Amino acid sequence: AQTVTQSQPEMSVQEAETVTLSCTYDTSESNYYLFWYKQPPSRQMILVIRQEAYKQQNATENRFSVNFQKAAKSFSLKISDSQLGDTAMYFCAFMYDAGGTSYGKLTFGQGTILTVHP
Amino acid sequence: NAGVTQTPKFRVLKTGQSMTLLCAQDMNHEYMYWYRQDPGMGLRLIHYSVGEGTTAKGEVPDGYNVSRLKKQNFLLGLESAAPSQTSVYFCASSHLAARGGELFFGEGSRLTVL
Repeated sequence: AQTVTQSQPEMSVQEAETVTLSCTYDTSESNYYLFWYKQPPSRQMILVIRQEAYKQQNATENRFSVNFQKAAKSFSLKISDSQLGDTAMYFCAFMYDAGGTSYGKLTFGQGTILTVHP
Repeated sequence: NAGVTQTPKFRVLKTGQSMTLLCAQDMNHEYMYWYRQDPGMGLRLIHYSVGEGTTAKGEVPDGYNVSRLKKQNFLLGLESAAPSQTSVYFCASSHLAARGGELFFGEGSRLTVL
């Protein structure tokens, strides 16, 4: 079974600054995907960024980037130029790739509440 | 452009009552999921379905039943609600062919059991 741990229950950052959210996971599998989802106060879950474990290159999406350390089983999210709209709960999630038989099931971390201050 | 729609959005139940949450998706996705979200625990998978007529247990299935009679709908039932089932419930769907693909979530249903 996989586990995902987010050790920072809450974080805060000033507008325009950079913040990094931490995530570690435990698995014995070698093929998997990692995700960061954002949940604003509206409760809607929104995909922020996705990383394939077999890719060495860290994923980036505009102001969002990850630091994927496969050996250390670490997957942190860096938000640059933070904006007020980034205020949300952020979830790290793991998806095992069993060649199509893992059925897309996600295992989530506990979440980190990020507050961006003006 | 509805995506994933959950009904109802809010519900208050008394212990022992039953209810059904309905999830509908209009993206022709094969896979559908029910998660519950509790403070400090993230989202946990209750049940999932890999196609019409199929269901399977997730991490926390006890006290819940599901049905997928139509491809676009996934129902979550509570036969005898308990206070421990007070939670926010999320439905999600994803495409069969998209390995490692995005899950699309509904807006959640807040259930309170008194």
